Amino acid sequence: DAKTTQPPSMDCAEGRAANLPCNHSTISGNEYVYWYRQIHSQGPQYIIHGLKNNETNEMASLIITEDRKSSTLILPHATLRDTAVYYCIVRPIYFGNEKLTFGTGTRLTIIP
Amino acid sequence: EPEVTQTPSHQVTQMGQEVILRCVPISNHLYFYWYRQILGQKVEFLVSFYNNEISEKSEIFDDQFSVERPDGSNFTLKIRSTKLEDSAMYFCASSERGGGLSSEFFGSGTQLSVL
Repeated sequence: DAKTTQPPSMDCAEGRAANLPCNHSTISGNEYVYWYRQIHSQGPQYIIHGLKNNETNEMASLIITEDRKSSTLILPHATLRDTAVYYCIVRPIYFGNEKLTFGTGTRLTIIP
Repeated sequence: EPEVTQTPSHQVTQMGQEVILRCVPISNHLYFYWYRQILGQKVEFLVSFYNNEISEKSEIFDDQFSVERPDGSNFTLKIRSTKLEDSAMYFCASSERGGGLSSEFFGSGTQLSVL
């Protein structure tokens, strides 16, 4: 079962930063935090992942608290195309563990 | 940008029939996956495949399911005798490395409807 807790839905105004929280209070030392999104029943799309340091790529930033029990995905300038379900997934990294365990995610709606 | 390609996009079949869902993973990827999503429910892992054998499978992936890499480019999921509850969107994915060391890229899915 998913080891993360996310709000079921959020709204954000177009052009503003979207901040999506995720709680993972039982995360262990070898587990990474992954974020994927799913736009209208398309295949999930990888966004970003991290272990304990903050990470940034062309899509988003990931802020992980010092105790690693929670994180925030930041979409810096949200557009209408960012409307999607966002999944926060905690995942150990080792060969033989291949599956992504998706929860119910946060449905983010970008408001024009 | 390289992408995972799935065909067909929609498949309608009668209960008890065999179906084969096809996927072309990204060319330099070595790990392949099938997931499914029943309407309104979570995305569920079915199976992972590496080096011509299954590396991990879920409880859903019973004897009715099989996977194959028949040639150097295709990856298929076969359902031997479809049931009504097999109706779902099936997603293929691939990754360069396994174990979460590189991210998975997903296809757009095949919507399977079993009547």
